[in-house]
Order: sequence, then structure tokens, then C-alpha cells
Amino acid sequence: GENVEQHPSTLSVQEGDSAVIKCTYSDSASNYFPWYKQELGKRPQLIIDIRSNVGEKKDQRIAVTLNKTAKHFSLHITETQPEDSAVYFCAASPLTGGGNKLTFGTGTQLKVEL
Amino acid sequence: EADIYQTPRYLVIGTGKKITLECSQTMGHDKMYWYQQDPGMELHLIHYSYGVNSTEKGDLSSESTVSRIRTEHFPLTLESARPSHTSQYLCASRGTGINTGELFFGEGSRLTVL
Repeated sequence: GENVEQHPSTLSVQEGDSAVIKCTYSDSASNYFPWYKQELGKRPQLIIDIRSNVGEKKDQRIAVTLNKTAKHFSLHITETQPEDSAVYFCAASPLTGGGNKLTFGTGTQLKVEL
Repeated sequence: EADIYQTPRYLVIGTGKKITLECSQTMGHDKMYWYQQDPGMELHLIHYSYGVNSTEKGDLSSESTVSRIRTEHFPLTLESARPSHTSQYLCASRGTGINTGELFFGEGSRLTVL
């Protein structure tokens, strides 16, 4: 089955700095890579996703990059703000087959300090 | 409003009690999932379903059981709760089709077994 590793487990940045979270996956059948943000006491919510037919995707201050050959993908947050403080999870899955099970990374606690 | 609903949100019970956590979604999704998560920690898949009358065990062994008699309903049952079952349980659903990747989560059921 799929195995997703995520680093770092905690990340502290100053407001306005950039934050980068990295994930690796093991199953070459995976072709869908979403990122979820979970604020304290809230449910995880999708913030951005990427499919294996593209190498990069941007949405305002967040971007995701994918290297299929190396089987790794990263989340980039620029100009961080206090409201970016949360736990971020990467995930990987095939879009078809296998019940579309998403395998999640272990999470990164991001803290944006004033 | 299309969403995924979980009840109860909070439950405190004694050891040995039988409990059922309810999950319903109004988005017409075929695929539904149960995750177990300690606060801010890793998401562990414990059960999933492709559709009506289909259920599978997830990656984390669980003493709970599930059923899927109706598309919109995916309850999780613990026959005899123990303190080790204390955790948050998140229900999620996902649409069918190659362009449907997002996993939608409910707000969670936080279970405490005394």
C-alpha cells in the first residue's frame, strides 16, 4: 500500500516569512496529491491539490510542487500570516481504483509568530 | 445545504457500553470513510465504503464495525467501549469520477470512555 512521509513535524516562522512542508510517497500508482489544513478544534479542509499531469499549481499565497520521478511534493506558503497557524496534512491516492483511499502524512504543526 | 453531519459531537460513556456514531452526507457521494484522530495528530483510516452494502477495513485495526445500507448514511458502532477507544472520530465522503478528488470531512465525534 501507499506510504506517505511528511516533514517537518513542527515549523515555526515569523509573520511574513515563507513556510515549506515536504512529503514523499511510495506508490507510483498515486496520481492525486491534496493538502489539508486543520485549525484547532476544526475539521480538515482542502486548501490545494495537484494531479500528476502537472508539476506546479498556485492559488494566491499557496503553491504546491510535484516531482513524480523523485516521488515527492511540497507545499509553499508565502507571506505567512497568523491565520496560517494550523496543522497541515499532505496526502496521496489514485483517483480511480482501490476505493480512492487517501493516505495521509503525519501532519505538520505550523506556527506563525508575530 | 450539502454537507456531512456527525452526531453526537461529544460523548462520555462508561466502559462496556455500546455506542453508535452517526454520519450522514447530503452530497450524493458514493465513497465514505471513518478516520480516528487524536487532537492535532495523524489521521488513521479505520473503515471505508465504496457504496451501498460495501464496507472494508482500513489501515488501522479497529474493534468498531460499520454498515452502509443507504448511500447517505454510514454509522460506526462500538459493541463494548474501552478507555483505549477514547479519541476523535472523523467521517468523510468523496465523489465518484476521475475529476472528483476532494475529501469532505464532518466536524467529528469526540468520544471519551471512562
